[in-house]
Amino acid sequence: QVQLQESGPGLVKPSQTLSLICTVSGGSITSGDYYWSWIRQPAGQGLEWIGRMYTSGRTYISGNTNYNPSLKSRVTISIGTSKTQFSLKLISVTAADTAVYYCARGSDTFDIWGQGTMVTVSS
Amino acid sequence: QSALTQPRSVSGSPGQSVTISCTGTSSDVGGYDYVSWYQQHPGKAPKLMISDVTKRPSGVPDRFSGSKSGNTASLTISGLQPEDEADYYCCSYAGSYTVFGGGTKLTVL
Repeated sequence: QVQLQESGPGLVKPSQTLSLICTVSGGSITSGDYYWSWIRQPAGQGLEWIGRMYTSGRTYISGNTNYNPSLKSRVTISIGTSKTQFSLKLISVTAADTAVYYCARGSDTFDIWGQGTMVTVSS
Repeated sequence: QSALTQPRSVSGSPGQSVTISCTGTSSDVGGYDYVSWYQQHPGKAPKLMISDVTKRPSGVPDRFSGSKSGNTASLTISGLQPEDEADYYCCSYAGSYTVFGGGTKLTVL
């Protein structure tokens, strides 16, 4: 059974880069044709889709990504060095980027979610 | 792109039915049959309840059903149970991106 787990710093300074890793257990990112997404949720607010990457079988092409237009200039989603991880990088963060960050499997239907990790942007 | 529009709150008594609407545009909800619904309890990750407008994943009670008409999708919960009290989010494919609704708080009276 595939499970996801987010990890990374819980505190990031303004203007710096937020970096998170999603680790897939019970399978690998390249074990089938899947999309893998990042989604965030500020405290007391709704869900916001950040972006997705696509993997097909044993191949991964770095261009197979889509991003929320409002975040596109600051976001990169990519596969990790291990085929069981994918990452999120968000540059030039501000307090508005403070949120719980989730990784999930899917493009527009998210059937598996990580438990979420809280990231606070503060000096 | 704007978030899909959901009512901020709905309520119902145990055993009753409630419907949550999700209104988008022809570029998202109206343009594709890729609307999904999620249930989120406080402090927990969202859980998939409906996919592809009407499909119910294994393990989701058949009290939950989805539909769509034009640019508006709906989630209906019949025979309300106390454990249904949660936040509900709709989500739609929109071509090169994906968009969520603002969320609806369901209160079981």
